[in-house]
Amino acid sequence: KQEVTQIPAALSVPEGENLVLNCSFTDSAIYNLQWFRQDPGKGLTSLLLIQSSQREQTSGRLNASLDKSSGRSTLYIAASQPGDSATYLCAVRQGGSEKLVFGKGTKLTVNP
Amino acid sequence: DAGVIQSPRHEVTEMGQEVTLRCKPISGHNSLFWYRQTMMRGLELLIYFNNNVPIDDSGMPEDRFSAKMPNASFSTLKIQPSEPRDSAVYFCASSPTVGGASYGYTFGSGTRLTVV
Repeated sequence: KQEVTQIPAALSVPEGENLVLNCSFTDSAIYNLQWFRQDPGKGLTSLLLIQSSQREQTSGRLNASLDKSSGRSTLYIAASQPGDSATYLCAVRQGGSEKLVFGKGTKLTVNP
Repeated sequence: DAGVIQSPRHEVTEMGQEVTLRCKPISGHNSLFWYRQTMMRGLELLIYFNNNVPIDDSGMPEDRFSAKMPNASFSTLKIQPSEPRDSAVYFCASSPTVGGASYGYTFGSGTRLTVV
């Protein structure tokens, strides 16, 4: 059974700092991995999608990497801003299945 | 595109009452998912449909829960009778599957259900 773990559960950084969020998964037979952002009381917003054949994806200040063999992904946020404060969720889609398995998220606070 | 649309946004009901949550997926997306989010358990998949057919309902907690997708543009999740432990945020999501390749999910804004 696939399990997704995100460490740390919470992170507080000063504005302008570069930071890395970690995601690990137990079964490397994934189809793709997706990073989401969730603001308090809101839905999930997709940030980046990495197919299993890819190593990384970039969007603006965000960069996500995938190492399928070791079961790890990282989300790098450059020059963090207070508006980046949110919970970041990692989710993997298994090969042969449509469903996503989510981690419990990392709550990020960027202090002005 | 208006995205995935869920209604209602908030629902407060008394224990024992029937609750119906609604979802309109993005046009052209042929996979639809119902998730439940709680503080304790995070996001859990309840059921998903592909081309309007239920594929995996192993996450549906009890017989009190049922889901339907009568057509490609509408799905419902029904709880009857509701219990306080059903209180959670329920999300609907949709995804396209193109030529056998799956793409990312798009989530709705969720329905916050409170059962008192």
